[in-house]
Amino acid sequence: QSVLTQPPSASGTPGQRVTISCSGGSSNIGGNYVYWYQHLPGTAPKLLIYWNNQRPSGVPDRFSGYKSGTSASLAISGLRSEDEADYYCAAWDDSLGGPVFGGGTRLTVL
Amino acid sequence: EVQLVQSGAEVKKPGESLKISCKGSGYSFTSYWIGWVRQMPGKGFEWVGVIYPGDSDTRYSPSFEGQVIISADRSINTAYLQWSSLKASDTAMYFCAKYNSGSYPYYFDFWGQGTLITVSS
Repeated sequence: QSVLTQPPSASGTPGQRVTISCSGGSSNIGGNYVYWYQHLPGTAPKLLIYWNNQRPSGVPDRFSGYKSGTSASLAISGLRSEDEADYYCAAWDDSLGGPVFGGGTRLTVL
Repeated sequence: EVQLVQSGAEVKKPGESLKISCKGSGYSFTSYWIGWVRQMPGKGFEWVGVIYPGDSDTRYSPSFEGQVIISADRSINTAYLQWSSLKASDTAMYFCAKYNSGSYPYYFDFWGQGTLITVSS
């Protein structure tokens, strides 16, 4: 059971906007920044969003991050087939002294 | 370009020892924490621990403390994760990843490709 809670799956059609939620508690999301990673199995996970809503260089602005209280979400607009991957949220946890992660959401582009 | 290149997949028997590696390049290896993340089959990521190669300061998740050892060799820009006695429950993909900076707020900004460890009799 992961510390952060994500839906196991999400789907959308090309061009659509999809949102993936992530909920936690006061020791993690509630008091710290949220991060999002994209992972295609067999490859290195890739940082998509840092500090709740910032995109690293090279990440398209189709990807947006939001945080409110102890929850966060990742929005992907203009969905493309290459967005089909697993998405993980993460946040520093003050109790652990390290990062905690969600269980991952598998995004399918129909 | 930052790169973290991990050693290859391993198949081991319960009770055997193992040390896997992660070689960093494209950044100052001694100036950033580098650590390990476990992904068990069909599950999410779990933080194992990190090491600061500059002074070998090491932090572990309580779930992994005493079960694994994290080390680093600054001379060859390589971090390691080792087990002295593997269990079947250690079967997982292990990723190395580096923190973004030397101070809080920390997050993993670059990851390795993963090393699959299979422990089976």
